[in-house]
Amino acid sequence: DQQVKQNSPSLSVQEGRISILNCDYTNSMFDYFLWYKKYPAEGPTFLISISSIKDKNEDGRFTVFLNKSAKHLSLHIVPSQPGDSAVYFCAARASSNTGKLIFGQGTTLQVKP
Amino acid sequence: DAMVIQNPRYQVTQFGKPVTLSCSQTLNHNVMYWYQQKSSQAPKLLFHYYDKDFNNEADTPDNFQSRRPNTSFCFLDIRSPGLGDAAMYLCATSRDKGPNEQFFGPGTRLTVL
Repeated sequence: DQQVKQNSPSLSVQEGRISILNCDYTNSMFDYFLWYKKYPAEGPTFLISISSIKDKNEDGRFTVFLNKSAKHLSLHIVPSQPGDSAVYFCAARASSNTGKLIFGQGTTLQVKP
Repeated sequence: DAMVIQNPRYQVTQFGKPVTLSCSQTLNHNVMYWYQQKSSQAPKLLFHYYDKDFNNEADTPDNFQSRRPNTSFCFLDIRSPGLGDAAMYLCATSRDKGPNEQFFGPGTRLTVL
């Protein structure tokens, strides 16, 4: 039972354009969502997060949108750069008691020069 | 730089031969996590320590054990590795269980022959 899903295994975007990565979840009790970026041979690194009380959070070129009614979040990268090419994981915090994160399977983003 | 370190980066073991993976952190974080990530799948939480308090996930096999002798170090012991245990093992830390990000190490790639 996969509670966090990233249905697109891969995405290819031209440099300078917008990249939109999507994530769906099933558990309405999730209260905090995060995006991580992972380069080959490295661990995931934190990118941006959003609390369930907000619907948007922006940090430079990265914006995360949360639609609670649809149980959907998305990460927008504008403008996309070749260095953004990586695997992107969305994660949801399952419980305020444990801090446990449930991850999606990841989306591989390729930004072409 | 404060960081999460995992040793070794690559580990090869034989079927049934016990193996220990190591994680250390210089962040002085209270919580340490161990995740298992198989190819093209989401990282899956095995267990975590909040300070010295051990929390095992319900579906983590008994074959997997963990030790945290002090704040800085945490070990993952696989008592009798099977072929299905071949995976990337990721260690992560967070300051506490609240809504803050987890910091990941680079991972240990385990191969079981």
